[in-house]
Parts: sequence; C-alpha cells; structure tokens
Amino acid sequence: EPEVTQTPSHQVTQMGQEVILRCVPISNHLYFYWYRQILGQKVEFLVSFYNNEISEKSEIFDDQFSVERPDGSNFTLKIRSTKLEDSAMYFCASSTNMKETQYFGPGTRLLVL
Amino acid sequence: KNEVEQSPQNLTAQEGEFITINCSYSVGISALHWLQQHPGGGIVSLFMLSSGKKKHGRLIATINIQEKHSSLHITASHPRDSAVYICAVIRAGGGGSQGNLIFGKGTKLSVKP
Repeated sequence: EPEVTQTPSHQVTQMGQEVILRCVPISNHLYFYWYRQILGQKVEFLVSFYNNEISEKSEIFDDQFSVERPDGSNFTLKIRSTKLEDSAMYFCASSTNMKETQYFGPGTRLLVL
Repeated sequence: KNEVEQSPQNLTAQEGEFITINCSYSVGISALHWLQQHPGGGIVSLFMLSSGKKKHGRLIATINIQEKHSSLHITASHPRDSAVYICAVIRAGGGGSQGNLIFGKGTKLSVKP
C-alpha cells in the first residue's frame, strides 16, 4: 500500500541553524500539508500546498518557514533560523483532493538546542 | 476557546468494554476526521465523515451536523486499541477551503487486559 514517507526521522540542531524536512507524498496525490505537534500539545496546521503554490498558511508559518516541491516528488519544509520553540514533531500529509482522507507520514522529530 | 473539544481527555477501560469518545466543534465544517495516534507518534486516519454514520470493523463514527457533535465508538475493546484518538475538522469555506485540519487535543485511551 502506498504511504507517505518523511526524512529524517529525528533531527537535532542548534538554535539559529537552518533545517530542511523532507516528505515524499503518495504519488497521485495533489494536496500536501505540513502540521506540527509540540510535545504534549495538539497537532497544529502549518501550511497547505496545491498546484505548486501555498494555498493556505497559519499564523505559525511566518517568514522563517518555506515550502517547496522541487522535483515533482519531494515536498520540503525549510526553517531558516530555528528557535527553541520550533522543537516539535513535524508531520507531512497528502490527499487526492481537499475533501478526501489525508494520509500522514510518520513524522520528523526536531529538537532545537 | 478551542474550536474542537473532545471528552474525555483520558479513558481507561477493561478489555471487551464498549467505548465512546465525544467531539464537539464550534465552527461550520465541511468534514470531520477521526484519527488515531500511536504511542510512537504516527497518525492514521480512521474515518472522514460529513453526515450520518460510518463503520469499519469494531469502530463506528457518527456525526450530528445540527448539534455540531460527533462520537467515535469502539466495540469489544482490546489492548491494541490503546492510543490517542483525535477529532479534527475541516472548516467550511474561508480558511478551511483547502482542506487543512483543525485538531482537538485528543483522548488518550488505555485498554487493560
């Protein structure tokens, strides 16, 4: 069964460093999402992406964040200058259509020191 | 105030018991999702519904759009059902128009043998 994959599974970085989180959505999916979950808190929406552009973003998704689909298969989330409060589990998800089931990747656990 | 509220926050049951988890939301929605988050963090979509009732194995999800309420039922619960169950909605129109999910805090279920 096709699945969403994410790399790396864990990343530790120093405050102020740039990180890139990678996702490979399911191949025939058209809608892509990034969510994050700070330890012990609820999952929060960051950004949605469709037709090679951002379609929606939350207040969390400020100028430090960017997304890209560089080669038609990967979907990346970049944090330019990480802060301590960026430490969280980051989930990628994809769906065929915005009204259909979203399939989640296993997550990348980011720790900013 | 959270747009999606779940109850209870924590639930402990004996194997075989019938379980109900409730979700209330305060916004107009186009769809509601029930998700399962495993102890390792991975998220799996269980149901997406916009009306009525859906059943999959021992899981049943219902929604009452007028009352802005949904329930997830587990029949004949088993220790392997132990997980966090999350209700999430897609807001109708506006900010939810691209399918991004608004999450509840989750219900942590523990089923004892």
